[in-house]
Amino acid sequence: AQKVTQAQTEISVVEKEDVTLDCVYETRDTTYYLFWYKQPPSGELVFLIRRNSFDEQNEISGRYSWNFQKSTSSFNFTITASQVVDSAVYFCALSPRTGGFKTIFGAGTRLFVKA
Amino acid sequence: DTEVTQTPKHLVMGMTNKKSLKCEQHMGHRAMYWYKQKAKKPPELMFVYSYEKLSINESVPSRFSPECPNSSLLNLHLHALQPEDSALYLCASSQAGSSYNEQFFGPGTRLTVL
Repeated sequence: AQKVTQAQTEISVVEKEDVTLDCVYETRDTTYYLFWYKQPPSGELVFLIRRNSFDEQNEISGRYSWNFQKSTSSFNFTITASQVVDSAVYFCALSPRTGGFKTIFGAGTRLFVKA
Repeated sequence: DTEVTQTPKHLVMGMTNKKSLKCEQHMGHRAMYWYKQKAKKPPELMFVYSYEKLSINESVPSRFSPECPNSSLLNLHLHALQPEDSALYLCASSQAGSSYNEQFFGPGTRLTVL
Protein backbone atom coordinates (compact mmCIF):
# COMPACT_ATOMS: atom_id res chain seq x y z
CA ALA A 1 0.00 0.00 0.00
CA GLN A 2 1.15 3.53 -0.73
CA LYS A 3 0.17 5.92 1.99
CA VAL A 4 1.16 9.11 3.76
CA THR A 5 0.14 9.75 7.35
CA GLN A 6 0.18 13.15 8.97
CA ALA A 7 -1.10 12.38 12.42
CA GLN A 8 -1.25 15.99 13.59
CA THR A 9 -4.48 17.52 12.35
CA GLU A 10 -3.91 20.96 13.85
CA ILE A 11 -1.06 22.58 15.74
CA SER A 12 -1.18 25.93 17.44
CA VAL A 13 1.98 27.74 18.54
CA VAL A 14 2.97 31.19 19.63
CA GLU A 15 5.24 33.21 17.40
CA LYS A 16 8.97 32.41 17.77
CA GLU A 17 8.31 28.88 18.97
CA ASP A 18 9.82 26.00 17.04
CA VAL A 19 7.36 23.48 15.62
CA THR A 20 7.78 20.07 13.99
CA LEU A 21 5.28 18.61 11.58
CA ASP A 22 5.37 14.83 11.37
CA CYS A 23 5.08 12.74 8.23
CA VAL A 24 5.17 8.96 7.99
CA TYR A 25 4.94 7.21 4.65
CA GLU A 26 4.42 3.68 3.37
CA THR A 27 5.60 2.29 0.07
CA ARG A 28 7.14 -0.91 -1.22
CA ASP A 29 9.04 0.92 -3.90
CA THR A 30 12.74 1.40 -3.33
CA THR A 31 12.72 4.45 -5.55
CA TYR A 32 10.41 7.26 -4.55
CA TYR A 33 10.27 10.97 -3.89
CA LEU A 34 8.92 12.84 -0.92
CA PHE A 35 7.60 16.39 -0.96
CA TRP A 36 6.30 19.07 1.33
CA TYR A 37 3.81 21.65 0.11
CA LYS A 38 2.38 24.66 1.92
CA GLN A 39 -1.18 25.85 1.35
CA PRO A 40 -1.82 29.31 2.81
CA PRO A 41 -5.37 30.63 3.19
CA SER A 42 -5.21 31.98 -0.37
CA GLY A 43 -5.49 28.38 -1.57
CA GLU A 44 -2.47 27.93 -3.81
CA LEU A 45 -0.18 25.02 -2.92
CA VAL A 46 3.45 26.06 -2.79
CA PHE A 47 6.25 23.56 -3.28
CA LEU A 48 8.76 23.56 -0.42
CA ILE A 49 11.08 20.60 -0.87
CA ARG A 50 11.67 17.34 -2.71
CA ARG A 51 13.86 14.46 -1.51
CA ASN A 52 14.59 11.20 -3.27
CA SER A 53 14.73 7.87 -1.51
CA PHE A 54 18.49 7.54 -1.94
CA ASP A 55 19.38 10.80 -0.29
CA GLU A 56 18.89 10.83 3.46
CA GLN A 57 20.77 14.04 4.03
CA ASN A 58 18.86 16.49 6.11
CA GLU A 59 18.21 19.86 4.57
CA ILE A 60 17.99 23.34 5.94
CA SER A 61 16.58 26.34 4.14
CA GLY A 62 16.44 29.43 6.28
CA ARG A 63 14.05 28.72 9.15
CA TYR A 64 12.89 25.47 7.55
CA SER A 65 14.58 22.10 8.01
CA TRP A 66 13.69 18.57 7.04
CA ASN A 67 14.68 15.29 8.64
CA PHE A 68 14.40 12.22 6.39
CA GLN A 69 14.83 8.83 8.07
CA LYS A 70 14.25 5.74 5.95
CA SER A 71 14.60 3.49 8.99
CA THR A 72 11.39 4.94 10.41
CA SER A 73 9.81 5.95 7.07
CA SER A 74 9.55 9.49 8.25
CA PHE A 75 10.10 12.86 6.64
CA ASN A 76 9.54 15.47 9.31
CA PHE A 77 9.50 19.22 8.82
CA THR A 78 10.63 21.74 11.42
CA ILE A 79 10.01 25.46 11.39
CA THR A 80 12.34 27.36 13.67
CA ALA A 81 11.23 30.63 15.24
CA SER A 82 7.78 30.42 13.70
CA GLN A 83 6.09 33.52 12.33
CA VAL A 84 2.46 34.42 11.75
CA VAL A 85 3.04 34.10 8.00
CA ASP A 86 3.81 30.42 8.53
CA SER A 87 0.13 29.84 9.33
CA ALA A 88 -1.07 27.46 6.63
CA VAL A 89 -1.90 23.85 5.91
CA TYR A 90 1.17 21.77 5.22
CA PHE A 91 0.96 18.63 3.10
CA CYS A 92 3.51 15.86 2.97
CA ALA A 93 3.37 13.88 -0.29
CA LEU A 94 4.83 10.73 -1.79
CA SER A 95 5.55 9.91 -5.44
CA PRO A 96 6.50 6.25 -5.77
CA ARG A 97 8.23 4.97 -8.89
CA THR A 98 5.30 2.74 -9.80
CA GLY A 99 2.82 5.57 -9.44
CA GLY A 100 3.18 7.12 -12.86
CA PHE A 101 2.29 10.73 -12.36
CA LYS A 102 0.37 10.15 -9.18
CA THR A 103 1.31 11.99 -6.06
CA ILE A 104 -0.14 10.69 -2.80
CA PHE A 105 -0.91 13.47 -0.37
CA GLY A 106 -1.20 13.17 3.37
CA ALA A 107 -4.25 14.63 5.07
CA GLY A 108 -2.37 17.80 5.93
CA THR A 109 -1.49 19.57 9.17
CA ARG A 110 -3.06 22.94 9.84
CA LEU A 111 -0.59 25.21 11.60
CA PHE A 112 -1.75 28.28 13.50
CA VAL A 113 0.93 30.70 14.60
CA LYS A 114 -0.36 33.31 17.03
CA ALA A 115 1.29 36.68 17.51
CA ASP B 1 7.88 33.02 -15.17
CA THR B 2 7.01 30.39 -12.58
CA GLU B 3 3.30 31.02 -12.44
CA VAL B 4 0.26 28.91 -13.12
CA THR B 5 -2.85 30.99 -13.70
CA GLN B 6 -6.44 29.87 -13.37
CA THR B 7 -9.67 31.54 -14.39
CA PRO B 8 -12.16 32.25 -13.08
CA LYS B 9 -11.30 32.60 -9.38
CA HIS B 10 -14.87 31.93 -8.34
CA LEU B 11 -17.71 30.30 -10.21
CA VAL B 12 -21.30 29.74 -9.22
CA MET B 13 -23.36 27.56 -11.51
CA GLY B 14 -26.65 25.76 -11.60
CA MET B 15 -26.94 22.06 -12.17
CA THR B 16 -28.04 22.54 -15.78
CA ASN B 17 -25.30 25.00 -16.74
CA LYS B 18 -22.25 24.37 -18.87
CA LYS B 19 -19.07 26.17 -17.86
CA SER B 20 -15.33 25.81 -18.30
CA LEU B 21 -12.34 26.28 -16.04
CA LYS B 22 -9.10 27.43 -17.63
CA CYS B 23 -5.48 26.96 -16.66
CA GLU B 24 -2.34 28.32 -18.26
CA GLN B 25 1.37 27.94 -17.64
CA HIS B 26 4.42 29.28 -19.45
CA MET B 27 7.16 27.30 -17.76
CA GLY B 28 7.56 24.85 -20.62
CA HIS B 29 6.12 22.07 -18.51
CA ARG B 30 4.69 19.14 -20.44
CA ALA B 31 2.62 17.58 -17.67
CA MET B 32 -0.54 19.25 -16.42
CA TYR B 33 -2.97 18.16 -13.73
CA TRP B 34 -6.46 18.81 -12.43
CA TYR B 35 -7.16 18.29 -8.74
CA LYS B 36 -10.32 18.64 -6.72
CA GLN B 37 -10.04 19.76 -3.12
CA LYS B 38 -12.86 19.73 -0.59
CA ALA B 39 -12.63 21.78 2.57
CA LYS B 40 -10.10 20.47 5.08
CA LYS B 41 -9.04 17.65 2.77
CA PRO B 42 -5.97 17.08 0.63
CA PRO B 43 -6.12 17.55 -3.13
CA GLU B 44 -7.55 14.59 -5.04
CA LEU B 45 -6.12 13.90 -8.46
CA MET B 46 -8.65 13.98 -11.29
CA PHE B 47 -6.71 14.04 -14.56
CA VAL B 48 -3.14 14.15 -15.83
CA TYR B 49 -2.03 15.22 -19.27
CA SER B 50 1.45 14.38 -20.48
CA TYR B 51 2.61 15.89 -23.78
CA GLU B 52 -0.98 16.98 -24.44
CA LYS B 53 -2.29 13.44 -24.13
CA LEU B 54 -4.54 12.27 -21.32
CA SER B 55 -2.45 9.83 -19.31
CA ILE B 56 -4.50 9.47 -16.13
CA ASN B 57 -8.23 9.69 -15.50
CA GLU B 58 -8.98 8.83 -11.90
CA SER B 59 -12.44 7.45 -12.69
CA VAL B 60 -13.88 10.93 -12.80
CA PRO B 61 -17.57 11.21 -13.77
CA SER B 62 -18.18 12.19 -17.38
CA ARG B 63 -19.78 15.47 -16.32
CA PHE B 64 -16.15 16.62 -16.00
CA SER B 65 -14.42 16.75 -19.37
CA PRO B 66 -10.76 17.79 -19.63
CA GLU B 67 -9.11 19.25 -22.67
CA CYS B 68 -5.51 20.18 -23.42
CA PRO B 69 -5.49 22.38 -26.55
CA ASN B 70 -1.72 22.89 -26.41
CA SER B 71 1.19 22.45 -24.04
CA SER B 72 0.42 25.67 -22.14
CA LEU B 73 -3.32 25.37 -21.72
CA LEU B 74 -5.59 23.05 -19.82
CA ASN B 75 -9.36 23.31 -19.65
CA LEU B 76 -11.96 21.54 -17.57
CA HIS B 77 -15.44 21.55 -19.09
CA LEU B 78 -18.30 21.20 -16.64
CA HIS B 79 -21.81 20.04 -17.44
CA ALA B 80 -24.74 18.91 -15.33
CA LEU B 81 -22.81 19.11 -12.10
CA GLN B 82 -24.16 18.15 -8.71
CA PRO B 83 -24.01 20.20 -5.49
CA GLU B 84 -21.44 17.74 -4.12
CA ASP B 85 -19.08 18.85 -6.90
CA SER B 86 -18.68 22.17 -5.12
CA ALA B 87 -14.98 22.42 -4.25
CA LEU B 88 -11.72 24.17 -5.00
CA TYR B 89 -10.37 23.02 -8.37
CA LEU B 90 -6.62 23.25 -8.63
CA CYS B 91 -4.50 23.09 -11.74
CA ALA B 92 -0.83 22.16 -11.58
CA SER B 93 2.04 21.61 -13.96
CA SER B 94 5.39 19.88 -13.82
CA GLN B 95 8.17 18.76 -16.03
CA ALA B 96 7.01 15.61 -17.72
CA GLY B 97 8.64 12.23 -17.74
CA SER B 98 8.07 10.98 -14.22
CA SER B 99 6.19 11.54 -11.04
CA TYR B 100 9.35 12.75 -9.41
CA ASN B 101 9.03 16.35 -10.34
CA GLU B 102 7.59 18.97 -8.09
CA GLN B 103 4.30 20.41 -9.17
CA PHE B 104 3.53 24.09 -9.49
CA PHE B 105 -0.03 24.93 -8.56
CA GLY B 106 -2.37 27.67 -9.58
CA PRO B 107 -4.52 29.57 -7.08
CA GLY B 108 -7.56 27.49 -7.89
CA THR B 109 -11.15 28.08 -8.93
CA ARG B 110 -13.67 27.94 -6.12
CA LEU B 111 -16.75 26.32 -7.60
CA THR B 112 -20.21 26.39 -6.09
CA VAL B 113 -22.95 24.30 -7.66
CA LEU B 114 -26.46 25.31 -6.68
